[in-house]
Amino acid sequence: AQKITQTQPGMFVQEKEAVTLDCTYDTSDQSYGLFWYKQPSSGEMIFLIYQGSYDEQNATEGRYSLNFQKARKSANLVISASQLGDSAMYFCAMREGMFSGGYNKLIFGAGTRLAVHP
Amino acid sequence: DVKVTQSSRYLVKRTGEKVFLECVQDMDHENMFWYRQDPGLGLRLIYFSYDVKMKEKGDIPEGYSVSREKKERFSLILESASTNQTSMYLCASSHTNKETQYFGPGTRLLVL
Repeated sequence: AQKITQTQPGMFVQEKEAVTLDCTYDTSDQSYGLFWYKQPSSGEMIFLIYQGSYDEQNATEGRYSLNFQKARKSANLVISASQLGDSAMYFCAMREGMFSGGYNKLIFGAGTRLAVHP
Repeated sequence: DVKVTQSSRYLVKRTGEKVFLECVQDMDHENMFWYRQDPGLGLRLIYFSYDVKMKEKGDIPEGYSVSREKKERFSLILESASTNQTSMYLCASSHTNKETQYFGPGTRLLVL
């Protein structure tokens, strides 16, 4: 069965420093996709970054990068130069199987709560 | 920008009541999803729909039903609310040719 594990229930970081949020996954599929979402206290889930299993380079989006290590089945989120507004819950998610159009189901981890301290 | 809206941010209902949660998206997305979020469990898929009047069960459909009469609108129905359905409910939508799901602000439901 496919599964996402986020082992850090909570993390804190000093403002302007970098932080890594861990995510490991378990799947027997060769084709899959990995996502990170941010959920501020307002509740809305905000899409941050995506990595496909066949992508050779790590995904980056502004201050967010995904450290994708396929052999270790890990997809850690790195946030550089943390800001106070980065304080939120962060969820790692995986798409089941190959995406060839249509709909895709996502499996989510339990989340990591990040607190950025001034 | 994609906009997904949910009818209520907070809702308090009594055990046994019928509850309707509504979700509307304005980006002409084919796919729509209902999740519930509980602490320590992440998000779990209740139902999804890939077209009008089409629906598929997710991982935890028991106690819920859905309705999609129009493309932009996807409703989650709790036929007889129970206290174990107290949770945060999140709606999402996606385009049929793109993977990313976009979420609404969520509805915090309390069943007394």
